[in-house]
Amino acid sequence: QKEVEQNSGPLSVPEGAIASLNCTYSDRGSQSFFWYRQYSGKSPELIMSIYSNGDKEDGRFTAQLNKASQYVSLLIRDSQPSDSATYLCAVWGYSTLTFGKGTMLLVSP
Amino acid sequence: NAGVTQTPKFQVLKTGQSMTLQCAQDMNHNSMYWYRQDPGMGLRLIYYSASEGTTDKGEVPNGYNVSRLNKREFSLRLESAAPSQTSVYFCASSEAAGESETQYFGPGTRLLVL
Repeated sequence: QKEVEQNSGPLSVPEGAIASLNCTYSDRGSQSFFWYRQYSGKSPELIMSIYSNGDKEDGRFTAQLNKASQYVSLLIRDSQPSDSATYLCAVWGYSTLTFGKGTMLLVSP
Repeated sequence: NAGVTQTPKFQVLKTGQSMTLQCAQDMNHNSMYWYRQDPGMGLRLIYYSASEGTTDKGEVPNGYNVSRLNKREFSLRLESAAPSQTSVYFCASSEAAGESETQYFGPGTRLLVL
């Protein structure tokens, strides 16, 4: 059984700060890694995908992957109140995507 | 281009009733998925269809059946609803069968079983 672990939060940061969201996974055979954002009452939407070790940047978002440590993170720079949502880490392997339970992020003005 | 659509948006059932949740995508994707999301449990895969004509069980298939009607449509059926099936149900699709591709989600169906 694949497991994906996230701190449930909430993670509270002030506007303009860096938010750091973390995720660990159990299956060393996992191939690809995704971060989804989910606003309350809405469906998940993809923010970032990462496939190889290192950092991947897209605007204010940076995903980091360390396969040796089985660790994925998402950094959000210059956090905005509109970033307040639940962030889901998802891990692809054996034809299916396994989701963590999500970390709630609260950005205060 | 509507993406992934789901019907109905909300439904209330009594224990033992049956219903079918409908999902359709207009992105010509090969793979389709059904998830349920419960508070504190995250998204859990019920069934998936890697390509037209195939279906496979996910993590929590008991109490559900699926039909991949054609490439566009993937339905989820509850034959005899139970209160434990109260949840939010999401359908998703992705382009490549059995490969790591971005999954696009529908708006969800909120189901309450009394």
